[in-house]
Amino acid sequence: RKEVEQDPGPFNVPEGATVAFNCTYSNSASQSFFWYRQDCRKEPKLLMSVYSSGNEDGRFTAQLNRASQYISLLIRDSKLSDSATYLCVVNQYGNKLVFGAGTILRVKS
Amino acid sequence: EPEVTQTPSHQVTQMGQEVILRCVPISNHLYFYWYRQILGQKVEFLVSFYNNEISEKSEIFDDQFSVERPDGSNFTLKIRSTKLEDSAMYFCASSPGMVEKLFFGSGTQLSVL
Repeated sequence: RKEVEQDPGPFNVPEGATVAFNCTYSNSASQSFFWYRQDCRKEPKLLMSVYSSGNEDGRFTAQLNRASQYISLLIRDSKLSDSATYLCVVNQYGNKLVFGAGTILRVKS
Repeated sequence: EPEVTQTPSHQVTQMGQEVILRCVPISNHLYFYWYRQILGQKVEFLVSFYNNEISEKSEIFDDQFSVERPDGSNFTLKIRSTKLEDSAMYFCASSPGMVEKLFFGSGTQLSVL
């Protein structure tokens, strides 16, 4: 099983749609979870941390399911500017943060 | 807003040459990292650094790689004898604490010819 696994997509959605991504991780002892976004050929940028109780930031909602070892990201009311690759990041052990391969989102007008 | 800065933005080198990639992490951060991303592939962990020593490293980070914090502000990655497969975007990152969110620099695109 891969350390962090994501559906590569692409997800092609119209503006205003709601879209959800999932990510699974292999290490049940992982403690820290994040979603990053990456635009083409740019550095990853933090979108949000993921907490056990779930958390929301505007149109974005993240959930963590420790029992099933998966993390989700929900984007409501998609904007053209949301088009990017969404990266799931998990601490594997110690101070090593591991990235998934990313899920491509394309929002079309 | 404080940011991580990396230089140069592009580096072209001949196979077998040594390169040094430079980074200035955010000033009050304690943990420093190098990641790389080969074109079309995922972001891969190379090494983390804390308290002037390596805290974690991946299997990619073999003897040809080394890191150093030569002064209070710079953090460098040295690749001793570059190979074609070292061509990638190299990202430096820093974080204020252990397993906290990472802040990335804009990367150095290394091309080995």
